[in-house]
Amino acid sequence: KAGVTQTPRYLIKTRGQQVTLSCSPISGHRSVSWYQQTPGQGLQFLFEYFSETQRNKGNFPGRFSGRQFSNSRSEMNVSTLELGDSALYLCASSLAGVGENTEAFFGQGTRLTVV
Amino acid sequence: ILNVEQSPQSLHVQEGDSTNFTCSFPSSNFYALHWYRWETAKSPEALFVMTLNGDEKKKGRISATLNTKEGYSYLYIKGSQPEDSATYLCASSDVDSNYQLIWGAGTKLIIKP
Repeated sequence: KAGVTQTPRYLIKTRGQQVTLSCSPISGHRSVSWYQQTPGQGLQFLFEYFSETQRNKGNFPGRFSGRQFSNSRSEMNVSTLELGDSALYLCASSLAGVGENTEAFFGQGTRLTVV
Repeated sequence: ILNVEQSPQSLHVQEGDSTNFTCSFPSSNFYALHWYRWETAKSPEALFVMTLNGDEKKKGRISATLNTKEGYSYLYIKGSQPEDSATYLCASSDVDSNYQLIWGAGTKLIIKP
């Protein structure tokens, strides 16, 4: 079956701009969670969506937002980009909630560079 | 939300040797413990999801144990191979935080040929 698809794979943006990243989960998966990974850091949790509702949110500023559509595809938006937003953004999908007893499947990530 | 701690931060192991590392997590209202392997230039891949105290899971040369009462899990790799080189992440969730997964910083394992 098709895996988790993230688009685009690479992105270069200028400070102050906004960006939208997309994540298509595995068919049938209702949970999509988003993570940021910067050099030397582990996975930092952004938020999780389950059946179109935000289920959990990490400690990121309000510039980071997301949504999930009825087909479970999810988008993440970052407004007013800062240099520190440069990172690998990963999404993961799971059948049940990401913290429950089912494994999460990760996409290849979107590498965002802010210049 | 309390932290998930992993130790050691990094580990160099000779090919053929066995190794293990630790994940410590908050034990109150525990729900699940996840282990993932993250190879360079790839995406994290699930190894185990464990929920029951005393549970032990195995996948090939890799196994994991879980102690929910004291809040720790061990990951064991038997007869390390170069392809085992990766960062191993654990994450735990609890009922009170709506099953939010809290991630450790990972243990970076390097297998020396």
